[in-house]
Parts: sequence; C-alpha cells; structure tokens
Amino acid sequence: EAGVAQSPRYKIIEKRQSVAFWCNPISGHATLYWYQQILGQGPKLLIQFQNNGVVDDSQLPKDRFSAERLKGVDSTLKIQPAKLEDSAVYLCASSPVRAPGANVLTFGAGSRLTVL
Amino acid sequence: KQEVTQIPAALSVPEGENLVLNCSFTDSAIYNLQWFRQDPGKGLTSLLLIQSSQREQTSGRLNASLDKSSGRSTLYIAASQPGDSATYLCAVPSSGNTPLVFGKGTRLSVIA
Repeated sequence: EAGVAQSPRYKIIEKRQSVAFWCNPISGHATLYWYQQILGQGPKLLIQFQNNGVVDDSQLPKDRFSAERLKGVDSTLKIQPAKLEDSAVYLCASSPVRAPGANVLTFGAGSRLTVL
Repeated sequence: KQEVTQIPAALSVPEGENLVLNCSFTDSAIYNLQWFRQDPGKGLTSLLLIQSSQREQTSGRLNASLDKSSGRSTLYIAASQPGDSATYLCAVPSSGNTPLVFGKGTRLSVIA
C-alpha cells in the first residue's frame, strides 16, 4: 500500500511570510495527525482529525496556524505569519481508527521548514 | 500531563555490541508504548508496540520491555550493526485513548 505523502519536502521562507503543507494519508485511514518536530526534540502533536472533524487541537497556535481536512482525506497545514521559532519538520501521520491502543501510526517523510 | 524522558541522549558503540536504550514516563495509566526509529531527513518508522497488558515484544534483534508500575521501558538491540544508526524514540498515549507523546529520542551511532 502507498504510504503517507507529504509536500513540499523542503521550504525556506522569511519571517512573516506564509507557508502551506499538504498531506495525503493512507487510503481508508480515518485519523490524521500533524506533528511538529523541532531539531533535537521529539514530535509534538499540533492537531488530530477524525475523518474531517477536529478531535484535538489544544496545542495548535491558533493565532498563526490553521489546518483543514476537507472531505476527510487530504489535509493542509498553514502558517501565517511565520516566526523564526516555527523552523521545524512538520510530520503527518495517519491510522485506520482513532484508538492508538489498537493501531500503529504511519508517518510521512515530513516537510522541513526553515524560517529566516 | 504525560512526560516522556529518554536516556541517554546519544550513544556511540562499536559494531557487534549489545545495547539498551531507556525510556521513562510519568503517568503509568498508558494504553500502550511504542518504539520508533527515525533516520536523518526521514519520517518515523514504528519498530515495536507493547500493549499495556504485555511485558515485552520482540522483533528480530530488537526486544522491548515494559514495566508500567515503574513507568519504564527499555529497548534492547542485540549484535548492533552500522545500519542500526538512527534516532530511536519512544512514545505513549498521554492518557487513555489519546495521541502519542514522544520523548526527545536517543541518537545511536554504531561504528564499523
């Protein structure tokens, strides 16, 4: 089966500019996650979708970050305006159902953002 | 709030050595615990998943153990190879049926 697809793989922008990342999960996976991984840190959850509804966005900086998952398939994560501290790898993951106890997450390769 | 700590932060060993990576978590009411591998510039690959009712899981040269009561897990790698060089992360659901909380990882280098 095809994996989780993410694009772009790399993006360099200046602070206060905007950027968008795209994720296509594994076909049939109802749950989609966006994680932020700063260099030297573990991934931190930004937002979790179940189909096209938001389950958890408690750690999403909503003043500058937004995410959507229209039609319950692809998802986009947007940052506007970007700050220097947003430099990180943005990882998308998907799983068949919501319960982490029963399923293993499949991660994409990530989108590396550098903010200058 | 669940917190996950991994020790050591980095480890360098000669090829062929057996090694142990450590993970500890603050809230023992976990659903499961997963160990992931991350190669530079790549996403995460799941290595082992231990359900809360299990004590250990094995896959090839990898063995992961779980002690919920003490909030600890170890990943044992036997007969290490240069191809094992990567960052190893452990992760647990923060509480019940919720998304994963990750440690910072252990960066492993196996020297030929």
